[in-house]
Amino acid sequence: GQNIDQPTEMTATEGAIVQINCTYQTSGFNGLFWYQQHAGEAPTFLSYNVLDGLEEKGRFSSFLSRSKGYSYLLLKELQMKDSASYLCAVRPFRDYKLSFGAGTTVTVRA
Amino acid sequence: DADVTQTPRNRITKTGKRIMLECSQTKGHDRMYWYRQDPGLGLRLIYYSFDVKDINKGEISDGYSVSRQAQAKFSLSLESAIPNQTALYFCATSDTRTGQPQHFGDGTRLSIL
Repeated sequence: GQNIDQPTEMTATEGAIVQINCTYQTSGFNGLFWYQQHAGEAPTFLSYNVLDGLEEKGRFSSFLSRSKGYSYLLLKELQMKDSASYLCAVRPFRDYKLSFGAGTTVTVRA
Repeated sequence: DADVTQTPRNRITKTGKRIMLECSQTKGHDRMYWYRQDPGLGLRLIYYSFDVKDINKGEISDGYSVSRQAQAKFSLSLESAIPNQTALYFCATSDTRTGQPQHFGDGTRLSIL
């Protein structure tokens, strides 16, 4: 089975930085994905890590440590539109199914 | 036009009714998935298909069935709906050749009374 944990909620101020952690225990590993989902809308792809290290894409960065079963998504220069749920998902080895965490709801306050 | 289209977008129905949710895609992807999303539980996989006529159960397939008669279409059926199937349902697609992330439709909000 797959076990993916992330905090339920986080609150931050506009312009600040927030780090969303994700830990996983899965039967295999072939990549970790982060998705953003606004309330009532479809999840949209943010980032993908398959090797250890940091992937940067504009204001968003994602980090992976396979030995620790750990990833984080870093959101910098927070904007009100970043208020959303952020989903961590793992793709097991040789299997294109994704296992999702329950999501972290981030609220950005003025 | 959306790449992954789900119909209907909203549906309210009664216990015991048969319901079909449709998903069609123009992305040319070979793999298609059905998820349900409930508050606090995240996305859970119901069924998935790697090609036409290929059907695989996900983690919560009981009470559901699917059909993949064409590469572009993947339908989800609830043969006899029950209230605890009230949820937000998403269809997603992915491409084996590129290994790109899954792309999601806009969702179907289903309420069973």
